[in-house]
Amino acid sequence: EVQLVESGGGLVQPGGSLRLSCAVSGFTFSDHYMDWVRQAPGKGLEWVGRTRNKAKSYTTEYAASVKGRFTISRDDSKNSLYLQMNSLKTEDTAVYYCARGGIYAPFDYWGQGTLVTVSS
Amino acid sequence: DIQMTQSPSTLSASVGDRVTITCRASQSISSWLAWYQQKPGKAPKLLIYKASSLESGVPSRFSGSGSGTEFTLTISSLQPDDFATYYCQQYNDYPLTFGGGTKVEIK
Repeated sequence: EVQLVESGGGLVQPGGSLRLSCAVSGFTFSDHYMDWVRQAPGKGLEWVGRTRNKAKSYTTEYAASVKGRFTISRDDSKNSLYLQMNSLKTEDTAVYYCARGGIYAPFDYWGQGTLVTVSS
Repeated sequence: DIQMTQSPSTLSASVGDRVTITCRASQSISSWLAWYQQKPGKAPKLLIYKASSLESGVPSRFSGSGSGTEFTLTISSLQPDDFATYYCQQYNDYPLTFGGGTKVEIK
């Protein structure tokens, strides 16, 4: 059974930092691109960014809204995906989902999400 | 960036109705389009990929069509479990983008 389990969410002040994790099981993690998608309260879905696999040198892509502030990384030995969020803004408040993506592929597996609240 | 525009934003329908949701891309995305269903408090669920391919395990009452810039999701006979919000998403180019969503409500 495929499982993606996010952790690390919580309350953080504006300007602060937070690191989210996503633990993956049920498929060969190292073969796949992995993504982060977020959803502000009562709003739609917004893609945050992607890390490609080892074959593609773990290169990354980011949405303009987070580029330079957020960093996506992965540890294939631990089947884990990470999202380092710095210089957080109130508009970063959202549920953050990890999802399995791919080249010309949809998000076919999703985690349950973790809530990040940026507030003073 | 490729803008994805869904219509309508809200749809009221009854059990048994045929429902159609439209998604338009601001430029051609070939067939690189997915549809997701999301229920409150839950993660999105993939329904359709490559515009018209049904994800494994998804009921056959769901279907997708279109290519280029215009796409549709059709539910042939709405069931109680189908009341949810639906999103389209393009994966032709970065940044990956979603439509604004269509909430299907009980009439």
